[in-house]
Amino acid sequence: DTEVTQTPKHLVMGMTNKKSLKCEQHMGHRAMYWYKQKAKKPPELMFVYSYEKLSINESVPSRFSPECPNSSLLNLHLHALQPEDSALYLCASSQGEGLYSYEQYFGPGTRLTVT
Amino acid sequence: AQKVTQAQTEISVVEKEDVTLDCVYETRDTTYYLFWYKQPPSGELVFLIRRNSFDEQNEISGRYSWNFQKSTSSFNFTITASQVVDSAVYFCALSEDSTGGFKTIFGAGTRLFVKA
Repeated sequence: DTEVTQTPKHLVMGMTNKKSLKCEQHMGHRAMYWYKQKAKKPPELMFVYSYEKLSINESVPSRFSPECPNSSLLNLHLHALQPEDSALYLCASSQGEGLYSYEQYFGPGTRLTVT
Repeated sequence: AQKVTQAQTEISVVEKEDVTLDCVYETRDTTYYLFWYKQPPSGELVFLIRRNSFDEQNEISGRYSWNFQKSTSSFNFTITASQVVDSAVYFCALSEDSTGGFKTIFGAGTRLFVKA
C-alpha cells in the first residue's frame, strides 16, 4: 500500500474558526511532512517530523500547529488563519530522514479556503 | 544556500515529440539528493526518480530518461515519444542536510502541455 490519505479534501473556514487537517500513511514510513502550495507555485516545506519528533519548522506562523500522535498520523491544527493562508496543503511521508534523503510520497492534498 | 532553477515555465509539444525539461541546482554540500516529481491536474505529486550526488549514472525508465551532470550542476529529464497523459507540472527538487535533517526545496516547476 503506497498511499497517503488526507482529510478533508476541501475546507472552507472563517478567520476565527479552529479546524484540523489530517494525514495518514500505512507504509511504515518514519518521516512525515507538511507542505503549503499556492496556485502555480511549487510546494513550500512547513514542517518535518522524524520518528514522531518535530525536526524541521520552517518559521511557520504559530496559527499553524502540527501534531504527530503516532508514526502513521500527522495533523495540522489551524486557528485564526488569514485569507492569504488559502492554499493546497500537502502531506507527504518518506522511509526515513536523517542519514539519507528518501523520496517522498504525497497525499492528494486539502484545498483550504479562508474567508 | 540551496537553489533549484527550472528555467522553462511552460512547454507545449505535439504527441510523439521528444521533450527535455531542464533543471539546474546550486548547493555547497558534497552529499545531496535530486528528485523529479510529476503533478498532474488532479494535484497529487508523484515521485519519478531519486539520485544521490555520488551516482552520476544516467537512467532510463520506459519513455523517461534522466541526465545527471555534476560538472554543470544539471539534472535534466527527457520524455521520449510524449503522450497526452504526460501533460502535467514537473518539479525538480534538491535535498541537502540542514539542521534537524534533510530539507527539500522544489524548483518553480515546468508545465508541460502535450497536444494530440
